[in-house]
Amino acid sequence: QKEVEQDPGPLSVPEGAIVSLNCTYSNSAFQYFMWYRQYSRKGPELLMYTYSSGNKEDGRFTAQVDKSSKYISLFIRDSQPSDSATYLCAMSARGTYKYIFGTGTRLKVLA
Amino acid sequence: GAVVSQHPSWVICKSGTSVKIECRSLDFQATTMFWYRQFPKQSLMLMATSNEGSKATYEQGVEKDKFLINHASLTLSTLTVTSAHPEDSSFYICSARAGTSGTEGEQFFGPGTRLTVL
Repeated sequence: QKEVEQDPGPLSVPEGAIVSLNCTYSNSAFQYFMWYRQYSRKGPELLMYTYSSGNKEDGRFTAQVDKSSKYISLFIRDSQPSDSATYLCAMSARGTYKYIFGTGTRLKVLA
Repeated sequence: GAVVSQHPSWVICKSGTSVKIECRSLDFQATTMFWYRQFPKQSLMLMATSNEGSKATYEQGVEKDKFLINHASLTLSTLTVTSAHPEDSSFYICSARAGTSGTEGEQFFGPGTRLTVL
């Protein structure tokens, strides 16, 4: 079993839809949870960085962490074609800077 | 936000040659830099972690004599792929961690370097 599981997609949604992206994990030591967006042939871009459980909102993006269920989510409101990319979740435990990445979910927002 | 650059963005080389990739943090000092490898449609796999002024720590299965890492300053780390072979063709991405209050733990990624070995 992988430490971090993420549905690879692709996930296709119409423009304006609310997108929900998710990751599950097995290591209860994870304390930091990140979401990155990666366009084709580019490096990952940090979208959200959260510590422990709870919600965090930044513009159209909302990150949720449920440590009791070992489940994290990224919501994108009013999705745009420019949001079409691969979304990677990443996690790390306290005291280590090593990130464990999910496989990424490919998102396509159709105009 | 924190900016990380990589050079070159792409490189093609002949089998048996060595290739050096540079990773620079442009607007912050990076106490720790990381090198990842990414195959098509796969996630990032950490190759090694480097701290300024000390030897890099390699992940299991990564040949340290083949992938030489030097973190000479707080803004520069280099990855040298020695005696490259076609199986080394991949997308190499570096990241940097500032390590200051408010950003501790966050890694900022460079744009990546696509290596093709003929």
